[in-house]
Parts: sequence; structure tokens; C-alpha cells
Amino acid sequence: DQQVKQNSPSLSVQEGRISILNCDYTNSMFDYFLWYKKYPAEGPTFLISISSIKDKNEDGRFTVFLNKSAKHLSLHIVPSQPGDSAVYFCAASAWGNTGKLIFGQGTTLQVKP
Amino acid sequence: DSGVTQTPKHLITATGQRVTLRCSPRSGDLSVYWYQQSLDQGLQFLIQYYNGEERAKGNILERFSAQQFPDLHSELNLSSLELGDSALYFCASSVSGLAGVIETQYFGPGTRLLVL
Repeated sequence: DQQVKQNSPSLSVQEGRISILNCDYTNSMFDYFLWYKKYPAEGPTFLISISSIKDKNEDGRFTVFLNKSAKHLSLHIVPSQPGDSAVYFCAASAWGNTGKLIFGQGTTLQVKP
Repeated sequence: DSGVTQTPKHLITATGQRVTLRCSPRSGDLSVYWYQQSLDQGLQFLIQYYNGEERAKGNILERFSAQQFPDLHSELNLSSLELGDSALYFCASSVSGLAGVIETQYFGPGTRLLVL
């Protein structure tokens, strides 16, 4: 039972354009969502998060949108840069639970110069 | 650099053996989490410790165990190793990890385990 799903294993975007990474979840108890970026041979690096009381959070080039009714969130990167090429993981946790994170399978983003 | 350290970086061992993975959390963080990433898989939560006590368990095998010491570092023990245990093992830490507290987890670089 995969509670957090990233249905696109990979995404290729031209430098300077927008990258949109998607994530769907099934558990309505999730109330905190995070995006992590992972380079090969490194641990996941925290990128941006959003709590369920918001529908948008922005940090520089990165914006996360949350649609609770659709149980869907997306990460927008504008403009995309070659250094953004990495695997992006969506993760979720539930308020009443511990800090346990449930991760999606990841999306590999390639930004072409 | 997240401030979370893990040793060793790589580990090669044989089936049936036992290994210990070590994690030091960020300074001030009380919770430690262990995750497993198998080939082509997302990160799977194994177990969480808070200030020395087990807080939550995921799909951790009975052959695996963990503990958190008074200095807050944690060890993940994997025994009777099987080929399928080959994976990346990540440790993460957060300030508290308590229910009702929204906070970010910071990950270490991971230990790559290869069981031959």
C-alpha cells in the first residue's frame, strides 16, 4: 500500500524553463509535506515543506503547491538550472503520529543546458 | 553538510553475518530515524528513537535492531544478513520528533551495504 506516489519516474527540462514535479497521496491524515533532493552518493537534502493549513509555500526558485481536496502536491522550479538535476522525493507525515516520514519513489529530474 | 554523520560509508559482508551501522545526529537533535533505500525503491522508514527510547517502528525486520545511547548517537544492528538486505541505509535526525510537532528531518550521507 503506497501512500505517497510519484508517478513520473523521470522528467527532462530545458535550462531556464519550469520544472513541475508531482506527488499524490492517499492518507487524509497527512498534514505535513516535504520535498527532498538527492544527488548520487549523498543523503537526501531538505528542499521545501508545506503544512496542510497552507496551499502554497515559496522559497526562491522553489514553490510547493498543495491541493488537499485532490490529495496532490507539486513542486515548481523556476527557472530550472543544470545543478537542479537530481532525484526529487516527496514525503509526508501525520500530525498525530511521530516524525515518521512516508516517501514517494522519487522523480529523476534532468535539466539540459 | 546536514550535520548528521554516518559510518561506515561502505560495507561489504557475506550472508549470515552481522553488521553495525552508526549515526551521530545534528547537535541538539533528540530524535534519530533510520531509513532503508533498496534498489529502485523509495526510502522506507525502519525505526525512530527519541532521547534514548524507541518511539516508532516501521517495517523493520526482526533480524534488525537499533538503539540510541545517552550521547544520542544511534546504532542499527543487522544480523543474519541476506542478499536482499543490500541497500542504502540512511539516518536522519530532528529536534524532537514528537507527535504534534511539525519539523524537518535532516539526513546523513548514508551507509551502502552490500551483502555477497
